[in-house]
Amino acid sequence: DVKVTQSSRYLVKRTGEKVFLECVQDMDHENMFWYRQDPGLGLRLIYFSYDVKMKEKGDIPEGYSVSREKKERFSLILESASTNQTSMYLCASGQIDSRYGYTFGSGTRLTVV
Amino acid sequence: GDSVTQMEGPVTLSEEAFLTINCTYTATGYPSLFWYVQYPGEGLQLLLKATKADDKGSNKGFEATYRKETTSFHLEKGSVQVSDSAVYFCALKDVNRDDKIIFGKGTRLHILP
Repeated sequence: DVKVTQSSRYLVKRTGEKVFLECVQDMDHENMFWYRQDPGLGLRLIYFSYDVKMKEKGDIPEGYSVSREKKERFSLILESASTNQTSMYLCASGQIDSRYGYTFGSGTRLTVV
Repeated sequence: GDSVTQMEGPVTLSEEAFLTINCTYTATGYPSLFWYVQYPGEGLQLLLKATKADDKGSNKGFEATYRKETTSFHLEKGSVQVSDSAVYFCALKDVNRDDKIIFGKGTRLHILP
């Protein structure tokens, strides 16, 4: 089974902290994505990457950055966490037109207090 | 830009009832269409897909037909089970934005025994 593993299931951070969310996939996928999921808003794309050291902004990149130093790992960074970044964060990898589409991790529920 | 609109939930049905979750889309060109499902505590997983007009995607008793004339991709199941309780997302692949997917806001489905 393809696995996308997110390092933390639940996270509580203070306003102003720098926060790292880690995502690792084991299927040699080139494409990796970070989404946030909020009630009533669905999934919104934050950043994505098609290759190592490559990154592109999604629809809501403000307040976030990413790092892709190795193919299997895609990190989302909140430079200075704010309460409006309290959300569920979902990492995904894969090819949209493949048999299984994207493979998603189980998510990290981040609370910023 | 491209967008997906799906019926708001929650939808509550009794076991063995017929299910329809409506989804319509706006897109330039001919996007691929998808239904993803998110079971409690898990990430999203691909349920079914259709890549061209009149295609029918099916999986686990669920079906959806790509209707170009009505720009719709409604999800149906003839007899739902308690285990179908989940959040369902309609999505499209934006043909102008390589391998990125646009999700609807999600529809929460509750099945009562």
